[in-house]
Amino acid sequence: AQTVTQSQPEMSVQEAETVTLSCTYDTSESDYYLFWYKQPPSRQMILVIRQEAYKQQNATENRFSVNFQKAAKSFSLKISDSQLGDAAMYFCAYIPDGKGGSEKLVFGKGTKLTVNP
Amino acid sequence: DTGVSQDPRHKITKRGQNVTFRCDPISEHNRLYWYRQTLGQGPEFLTYFQNEAQLEKSRLLSDRFSAERPKGSFSTLEIQRTEQGDSAMYLCASSIAGMGTQYFGPGTRLLVL
Repeated sequence: AQTVTQSQPEMSVQEAETVTLSCTYDTSESDYYLFWYKQPPSRQMILVIRQEAYKQQNATENRFSVNFQKAAKSFSLKISDSQLGDAAMYFCAYIPDGKGGSEKLVFGKGTKLTVNP
Repeated sequence: DTGVSQDPRHKITKRGQNVTFRCDPISEHNRLYWYRQTLGQGPEFLTYFQNEAQLEKSRLLSDRFSAERPKGSFSTLEIQRTEQGDSAMYLCASSIAGMGTQYFGPGTRLLVL
């Protein structure tokens, strides 16, 4: 089954603190893409970070980093030095049919992140 | 690069009416995807194009839905005889085949009364 599970419907963090959002997925492919997207209220979906499964090194983008555990099929997002502008729905997504196919995305249900001042 | 654009941003219609949405992808992107997002859920894949060819349709896409990308540039998604269950956000995304990353437009929010 092509599924993405985000077990935390809501999370909150204090400004300047660190928060980790969890994600697990299911695939039989060996090479695929994984993503975290951010969707602020009433605004469009924005790519936060992406990981290619064949790369062992975890991706980082400024304050955002991932912990990719391929064997466990786990892909968590860490946000450091949280800012008020980080408040949004965060969606974990992956391409279950690997590279070279449709590359359609399968999304989790999302985690709503609140940042408290 | 102006990003992916969608029109209209909001649409309110009465049950049974037809509606059409437009998506303009990033100009050099050869792939275009449509997704539907209902409240509290992640987006779900509907269909995608590579250039002008529609290569896959989800079983979510009933026969009341049709999508086109006539010249491999913009795309339209039409819903005929709308039902209240069609109320959702319709998202368009574009990418370059093989690169994986999709860039999303702002979406069209449809409300069927």
